[in-house]
Amino acid sequence: DIQMTQSPASLSASPEEIVTITCQASQDIGNWLAWYQQKPGKSPQLLIYSATSLADGIPSRFSGSRSGTQYSLKISRLQVEDTGIYYCLQRYSNPWTFGGGTKLELK
Amino acid sequence: QVQLQQSGAELVKPGSSVKISCKASGYTFTSYDMHWIKQQPGNGLEWIGWIYPGNGNTKYNQKFNGKATLTADKSSSTAYMQLSSLTSEDSAVYFCARSGNLGYWGQGVMVTVSS
Repeated sequence: DIQMTQSPASLSASPEEIVTITCQASQDIGNWLAWYQQKPGKSPQLLIYSATSLADGIPSRFSGSRSGTQYSLKISRLQVEDTGIYYCLQRYSNPWTFGGGTKLELK
Repeated sequence: QVQLQQSGAELVKPGSSVKISCKASGYTFTSYDMHWIKQQPGNGLEWIGWIYPGNGNTKYNQKFNGKATLTADKSSSTAYMQLSSLTSEDSAVYFCARSGNLGYWGQGVMVTVSS
């Protein structure tokens, strides 16, 4: 199985700050990576697909990038509504695997 | 608009089975895989598998072989997941989500296994 190592596990930042969350894949997954945000008691919401493409309706302050087998989600100009848990997902091969999650809180 | 409406919470006894549903609307049900994802309390997400309602093809995470069975009813645009031989480890919220990219999710079904 492909392992997705996500970091940090938690992070606290102030409004308007820039934050970056990363996922390291245990092998090449190309651009078969997506990012999701989950708020308490809710379903995950797709933010980024194909490593860098912004999902419909998602603010442009969210962006995704790739460097080899490391993938990053950047949130620029953090807003209060950005709190939640963020997950990466690889869908390159079965079984699809999620990162362990990053809990983002605002100071 | 695409909607995935899941069935209600279940309280079931150890050793029993449960079948949960995911009714799709707003798109052609037979044209997209339906995926199922498990989330245990306070834990992350775990992919169970998918079914392609167009022909019934399925693919499972090997970890869930024998535990989860995915089916789909084209006439009602509903996907189902049956979980068998339930233990406390199966207590979780189960989501359905539509491919590609899992851009649409159901609201989740909480399954509690308790005597």
